[in-house]
Amino acid sequence: GPKVLQIPSHQIIDMGQMVTLNCDPVSNHLYFYWYKQILGQQMEFLVNFYNGKVMEKSKLFKDQFSVERPDGSYFTLKIQPTALEDSAVYFCASSLYWGDYEQYFGPGTRLTVL
Amino acid sequence: GDSVTQKEGLVTLTEGLPVMLNCTYQTIYSNAFLFWYVHYLNESPRLLLKSSTDNKRTEHQGFHATLHKSSSSFHLQKSSAQLSDSALYYCALRANTGANTGKLTFGHGTILRVHP
Repeated sequence: GPKVLQIPSHQIIDMGQMVTLNCDPVSNHLYFYWYKQILGQQMEFLVNFYNGKVMEKSKLFKDQFSVERPDGSYFTLKIQPTALEDSAVYFCASSLYWGDYEQYFGPGTRLTVL
Repeated sequence: GDSVTQKEGLVTLTEGLPVMLNCTYQTIYSNAFLFWYVHYLNESPRLLLKSSTDNKRTEHQGFHATLHKSSSSFHLQKSSAQLSDSALYYCALRANTGANTGKLTFGHGTILRVHP
């Protein structure tokens, strides 16, 4: 079936540095999402992106976070600067539309902030 | 805000026995979509079942679930567990808020371990 890819699979960085997580969504999908999962906790919605704009974001989507998808390339999540509490697995997802359309998830990027 | 409760963190079963994973939800909105995602180790979470219709059974790959709005439940069931069913199962909710965002609210997940 359709696949969402995430690059890298693991990233270790020092607190205060910038990090960019990359997502290659399903090719014809229009809606893109980031979810965050801290170890032992549930996956939590961060942000939804459509037509070049953030449609909805949660309280977890701090000012240090930004998303973009320049020219239909990777959908990216940038964190600048990073903090210790940003350590988590970040899942990217994409869907053709919203509603009950299936969201296809990537395998996640494990981010460790030291 | 919306919430999803999966009360079992771990369910351990013998192969061949029936499976039931509990999911209840809370939302202030009258319409909601409920989903079950399955997450195998080293793979991506993928959709197993979905429903928005009250009291209608939905089935896929041997699993089934019925959305009961009266009890805010969407329990996942299977008549006979297989070793290959061992995975992490997430119940998720998308409330129909009128905002076209597709945001999912997840439960903590239930690990299903099936042994011979």
